[in-house]
Amino acid sequence: AQSVTQLGSHVSVSEGALVLLRCNYSSSVPPYLFWYVQYPNQGLQLLLKYTSAATLVKGINGFEAEFKKSETSFHLTKPSAHMSDAAEYFCAVSFSGSARQLTFGSGTQLTVLP
Amino acid sequence: EAQVTQNPRYLITVTGKKLTVTCSQNMNHEYMSWYRQDPGLGLRQIYYSMNVEVTDKGDVPEGYKVSRKEKRNFPLILESPSPNQTSLYFCASSLRATSTDTQYFGPGTRLTVL
Repeated sequence: AQSVTQLGSHVSVSEGALVLLRCNYSSSVPPYLFWYVQYPNQGLQLLLKYTSAATLVKGINGFEAEFKKSETSFHLTKPSAHMSDAAEYFCAVSFSGSARQLTFGSGTQLTVLP
Repeated sequence: EAQVTQNPRYLITVTGKKLTVTCSQNMNHEYMSWYRQDPGLGLRQIYYSMNVEVTDKGDVPEGYKVSRKEKRNFPLILESPSPNQTSLYFCASSLRATSTDTQYFGPGTRLTVL
């Protein structure tokens, strides 16, 4: 069965520092991968998605992620953190032909320190 | 404005008292689903619907019912709520039931069952 693991339930960075949120997946078939962001008291919003085109995916708000098949990873990065990036981030996976669509990781809470 | 709406946003109830959480989307989406979010577990799918009158179980369907009589609405029904159903619930929709479609999430319903 497919699964997603997010390493680190809480990550803290200083404003202006690199943001790196880790996501690894387990799958026997090619996956589609997503990053969603959840701001306080809001629903989830899509940041970016990988659907088997370019392995480096650029999303909104300066975020990007790279699909690495050899490492079964899809880590999310942003070169310079902003206070407004503080939120919870979810990695999710789906597979071709799967009507259930998304399987989510457990989430990573990002704190940005001034 | 294109959106997914849920009502109520907050609900406190008692064990065994039937309740319905409504979900509506105005984007003519075929696919709709319900998730529950619990700390440390991410989002888990409860039920999904690929189109009108077509529904199926997700990963955690026990204790829940759904119906899809109209394309825009997908209510979640708890016939006899129990305290372990205390959670944050999200409705989501996507244009089609394909693995790469972006899901759009409602703002969430926080349910407490006493």
